[in-house]
Amino acid sequence: EADIYQTPRYLVIGTGKKITLECSQTMGHDKMYWYQQDPGMELHLIHYSYGVNSTEKGDLSSESTVSRIRTEHFPLTLESARPSHTSQYLCASTTLTRRGIEQYFGPGTRLTVT
Amino acid sequence: DAKTTQPPSMDCAEGRAANLPCNHSTISGNEYVYWYRQIHSQGPQYIIHGLKNNETNEMASLIITEDRKSSTLILPHATLRDTAVYYCIVRVGGDYKLSFGAGTTVTVRA
Repeated sequence: EADIYQTPRYLVIGTGKKITLECSQTMGHDKMYWYQQDPGMELHLIHYSYGVNSTEKGDLSSESTVSRIRTEHFPLTLESARPSHTSQYLCASTTLTRRGIEQYFGPGTRLTVT
Repeated sequence: DAKTTQPPSMDCAEGRAANLPCNHSTISGNEYVYWYRQIHSQGPQYIIHGLKNNETNEMASLIITEDRKSSTLILPHATLRDTAVYYCIVRVGGDYKLSFGAGTTVTVRA
């Protein structure tokens, strides 16, 4: 069973506010990811990290930023939230098992910017 | 990653087997076939993956054609809780990133 947590689960916030979405995992995984998903639409990779002090942009351009100071923690920050940032944000981590690469997802944060 | 093609939706009767097809005609020799599912806005859940051989676990079976250009995910006894979007993904073994497509929306009906 994967242990990956996201807080808050739901967030409604006004335009211009700075927000940080938290993601943490207790499995010691080096590789972590942020995806963005609009309702009924595809998931898009926006950030990933392959270890401490390593962050990369994903396939979909995003105004958010991430940091990876500790292995277990991969927060995502929006400096100035806008209505266009309204979406669901999913965090994930990956491990290599004897069966292959397996990716585990958190429950997601549903962000609404008014 | 190789592109995959899945039907947008399918229905299945509860208790029956659900067979989900996926075409990946441009797959290369070192790319694995992975299946995930996403139940109503939750985070996607890993189901199964394979390279060449058929695979089975407690959730499903994966049948990969000999030429590896297509595969089928089989849910042997579908339940209402299997209603979800199912994603077929191909990825290189050493690449840890996933690219999700539109998937197949599976609706299991009582």
